[in-house]
Amino acid sequence: GENVEQHPSTLSVQEGDSAVIKCTYSDSASNYFPWYKQELGKRPQLIIDIRSNVGEKKDQRIAVTLNKTAKHFSLHITETQPEDSAVYFCAASKGGSYIPTFGRGTSLIVHP
Amino acid sequence: GAVVSQHPSRVICKSGTSVKIECRSLDFQATTMFWYRQFPKQSLMLMATSNEGSKATYEQGVEKDKFLINHASLTLSTLTVTSAHPEDSSFYICSASGSLGTDTQYFGPGTRLTVL
Repeated sequence: GENVEQHPSTLSVQEGDSAVIKCTYSDSASNYFPWYKQELGKRPQLIIDIRSNVGEKKDQRIAVTLNKTAKHFSLHITETQPEDSAVYFCAASKGGSYIPTFGRGTSLIVHP
Repeated sequence: GAVVSQHPSRVICKSGTSVKIECRSLDFQATTMFWYRQFPKQSLMLMATSNEGSKATYEQGVEKDKFLINHASLTLSTLTVTSAHPEDSSFYICSASGSLGTDTQYFGPGTRLTVL
């Protein structure tokens, strides 16, 4: 089955800096890659996703890049703010009825 | 759109009792619902997948007789933790996908279960 590795497990940055979280996947058939943000004690919320037919997607301060050849994808957050502090999960899926596989999560801490 | 509710948000029960958790999709039809368990500072561990009107598919290591899942309609799935023990204490989260597109999962707010 699919295996998703996520790094780093903890990321500490100063407000205004950029943050990058990286994930690798094992199943070359995976074609859908969502990212979720989970604040303490709350539900994971979808923040951005990308499909295998594109290499990059951007939404304001958040961007995701995908390298299908290397089987890795990354989340980029620019101009970080304290409210970006949360746990971020990547996932990989073959789409349709296939169940996504989640990474272990990255705890992002943005210091004011 | 894409709102998933979960009830109760928090439950405390005595060891040996059963607890039922409800997961509802409020504004879309959820053909598939997922149940996850999350320990503090850890990732989401998939317990089972349920499709409306059929039996749930459990992940390896999850006892189907202990964690009963019923997906009775396109908007409701329930998880019953039977004969709960302190080690069952955890954060249980459901998610749903379906008529809005089968790829994206929408998560419920979670249920904090504490077994004394």
